[in-house]
Amino acid sequence: EVQLVESGGGLVQPGGSLRLSCVAPGFTLTSYLMHWVRQPPGKGLVWVSRISGDGSIAGYADSVKGRFTISRDNAKNTLYLQMNSLRAEDSAIYYCAREGTTGTYPAYWGQGTLVTVSS
Amino acid sequence: SYELTQPPSVSVSPGQTARITCSGDALPKQFAYWYQQKSAQAPVLVIYEDSKRPSGIPERFSGSSSGTMATLTISGAQVEDEADYYCYSTDTSGHYRGVFGGGTKLTV
Repeated sequence: EVQLVESGGGLVQPGGSLRLSCVAPGFTLTSYLMHWVRQPPGKGLVWVSRISGDGSIAGYADSVKGRFTISRDNAKNTLYLQMNSLRAEDSAIYYCAREGTTGTYPAYWGQGTLVTVSS
Repeated sequence: SYELTQPPSVSVSPGQTARITCSGDALPKQFAYWYQQKSAQAPVLVIYEDSKRPSGIPERFSGSSSGTMATLTISGAQVEDEADYYCYSTDTSGHYRGVFGGGTKLTV
């Protein structure tokens, strides 16, 4: 079973920063493209970012480009999302997801970590 | 930026066929994927590459794609299928981005 565990969420003031982590007990993240997807309270899924298996290629949604940075530490088997200049509209559950066996789509999901941006 | 459009809601009686559509300009070139999300749970993949069903997903779930529209079909919908459904695809702009549709609330 593919398991992903996110952490690092919490309450942060507008303009602040937060770093989310995603670990994968039981398999090696290195080989897989990884995504971050978020879901504001009561709203739909929003794709945020993705990064190639070797970390050389990353993509971002327009709403976070320039503020968020996706990265991975393959030695620690961990995926990160560094979030800077946070805004109230960044408040959401943040999910990490692993690509599928046949393509780069988000196939396996963690349970998410809640980020609240509020003063 | 690239968008996928879904109807906000679909309602069927138990045993009827539910169809949820997803439209996007890049769908003729890119696969569509479908996710089911029940309340307070992580999304679950129910269809990948337009029409393939992951192991463990009931046969009543099927997918198709034609032109700029992808469709998720639930044949003989059951009460337990009541959930939010999202389509997903990627854009062709070269910016290495994914996109979700706005989601459809299925009521059975």
